[in-house]
Amino acid sequence: DTGVSQNPRHKITKRGQNVTFRCDPISEHNRLYWYRQTLGQGPEFLTYFQNEAQLEKSRLLSDRFSAERPKGSFSTLEIQRTEQGDSAMYLCASSFGLAGTTDTQYFGPGTRLTVL
Amino acid sequence: AQSVSQHNHHVILSEAASLELGCNYSYGGTVNLFWYVQYPGQHLQLLLKYFSGDPLVKGIKGFEAEFIKSKFSFNLRKPSVQWSDTAEYFCAAAGGATNKLIFGTGTLLAVQP
Repeated sequence: DTGVSQNPRHKITKRGQNVTFRCDPISEHNRLYWYRQTLGQGPEFLTYFQNEAQLEKSRLLSDRFSAERPKGSFSTLEIQRTEQGDSAMYLCASSFGLAGTTDTQYFGPGTRLTVL
Repeated sequence: AQSVSQHNHHVILSEAASLELGCNYSYGGTVNLFWYVQYPGQHLQLLLKYFSGDPLVKGIKGFEAEFIKSKFSFNLRKPSVQWSDTAEYFCAAAGGATNKLIFGTGTLLAVQP
């Protein structure tokens, strides 16, 4: 069991730069979630994929954020024109779920983004 | 609006003390409840979950939680904590088509040896 992996683990960037994070889910998990966590808060939902389809996006996900999951395997989260307020831990989770059922999400270690 | 509240932000206990962490939720429709734990330097791990059935749920490492629908609560308990239980604990709720998790703000537990 290799678990959910995320790369990079840490990213420091200057305001205005673009960044991209990658998430590799547990093999055969059809659902993939992105969350964001800031200091002193619990994770907040950003977006969700069922296979390659992005089925829900939070209002937190401004137009500077884009996520993809080509071929229903790994996923990328890109932030364009980063702002200092984007500094956070970005978490990926995956699960296996059938339509209409509840699943259990398994989390990766996260990517910590610092925007200077 | 869907929400999860954890009223204890910081808890300090001595080893062998009993633990109860509060969690209340506000959620329309069928709700599924979870407790996750984050040990220092590690990622979020599932402690236990409630989907349906027996409202008293047992998880790993001696933890348990009780779903009380009338009180909208899902409190986490452990009869005797250990130093290794020092961690941050998150309560979460999910439901609906996407199963997105709504997390509480977390409770930081420090167990003194």
